[in-house]
Amino acid sequence: KAGVTQTPRYLIKTRGQQVTLSCSPISGHRSVSWYQQTPGQGLQFLFEYFSETQRNKGNFPGRFSGRQFSNSRSEMNVSTLELGDSALYLCASSSEFRMGGKRNEQFFGPGTRLTVL
Amino acid sequence: AQTVTQSQPEMSVQEAETVTLSCTYDTSESDYYLFWYKQPPSRQMILVIRQEAYKQQNATENRFSVNFQKAAKSFSLKISDSQLGDAAMYFCAYSRWSNSGYALNFGKGTSLLVTP
Repeated sequence: KAGVTQTPRYLIKTRGQQVTLSCSPISGHRSVSWYQQTPGQGLQFLFEYFSETQRNKGNFPGRFSGRQFSNSRSEMNVSTLELGDSALYLCASSSEFRMGGKRNEQFFGPGTRLTVL
Repeated sequence: AQTVTQSQPEMSVQEAETVTLSCTYDTSESDYYLFWYKQPPSRQMILVIRQEAYKQQNATENRFSVNFQKAAKSFSLKISDSQLGDAAMYFCAYSRWSNSGYALNFGKGTSLLVTP
């Protein structure tokens, strides 16, 4: 089974621009979560989508948004980029079904490294 | 809000030796999950081991085992027979399932160095 894929892997943008990151979950997984990783703040939860609905949201400004499509692929968008948005953005997918006790296990993609200049 | 604390920013271990990474967490819930994730230089987050809070038995995965002390809210990771490939950042994480989904709360991480 293919793992979680994220595109692009690297991205360079300038302040004020907007960016869209994409995540394709493991086949059959309907939950997709996004995390931001920075040296200062560590790993922080952005939001989670399930069946095209945002089900959970972290403490981030409204410039950060996301969506999920009917095939469970997800995108996150950051508008009006700031220098502090430079980070590794990780996507994780999860199955909703308890299979051998593996519910709630999140599988991570390789991340998208965003640099804001 | 649940918080996860890893008090050891860096740890070092010699090959073939045993090392224990510490993690404490704060929650008022009784049903939750705890995880240890490994992040090597490639930045790929890899699940090392998981523990369900309702299970009293400590989880083990080959050379990796945990010491789960629910009352003390402690969740340490023991790596036996350390290998060079174990060198990475290790993150302790907490999660709780609810109808509004779930999110992983991560600690700041422990950087593990393995020396020959």
